[in-house]
Amino acid sequence: EDKVVQSPLSLVVHEGDTVTLNCSYEVTNFRSLLWYKQEKKAPTFLFMLTSSGIEKKSGRLSSILDKKELFSILNITATQTGDSAVYLCAVDPMNTGFQKLVFGTGTRLLVSP
Amino acid sequence: NAGVTQTPKFRVLKTGQSMTLLCAQDMNHEYMYWYRQDPGMGLRLIHYSVGEGTTAKGEVPDGYNVSRLKKQNFLLGLESAAPSQTSVYFCASSYSGYNEQFFGPGTRLTVL
Repeated sequence: EDKVVQSPLSLVVHEGDTVTLNCSYEVTNFRSLLWYKQEKKAPTFLFMLTSSGIEKKSGRLSSILDKKELFSILNITATQTGDSAVYLCAVDPMNTGFQKLVFGTGTRLLVSP
Repeated sequence: NAGVTQTPKFRVLKTGQSMTLLCAQDMNHEYMYWYRQDPGMGLRLIHYSVGEGTTAKGEVPDGYNVSRLKKQNFLLGLESAAPSQTSVYFCASSYSGYNEQFFGPGTRLTVL
């Protein structure tokens, strides 16, 4: 069974800290791994990592994919209170002709002022 | 562009009642999805559509039906609601089967 596990479940940091969120996966095949940020409502897309794009960066956020060890990390530097959210990791196990995602349960991040 | 919108935002049903959740997208996306999100479970795919007039079952389809009569709309129906269907429902869409999915704001459904 395809599985995505995120850790830690939750964490609290102070503004300005750097945080690392983890996502490990077990899938029959692999096409892509996606990170989403979920505040109060809709998950919003952050990054998609594939075999041809194992490292992505946008401002203070960055992510890498290790296909050999089957995990990804999401880094947030100089955290701000606006980074407080649940961060979701999802994997496309490539067992269909389209992106049928398997989601982890998320990491809840609280950034205190 | 409004992106992906969902109606209603909240709903309370009694066991056995029926309802329809509406999802609309204005991005001309081919693929549309319905998920449910429960505490400790992550997002799970209920049904999906790869184009107008097509629908298919996802991971947890029992108790739900869907229709995609127009490309921009994807409807999720509950014929006889059960307390186990209390959840937050998200609709999503994507341009192709390999692009990122864009999510709507969600519908919080409570079944008493």
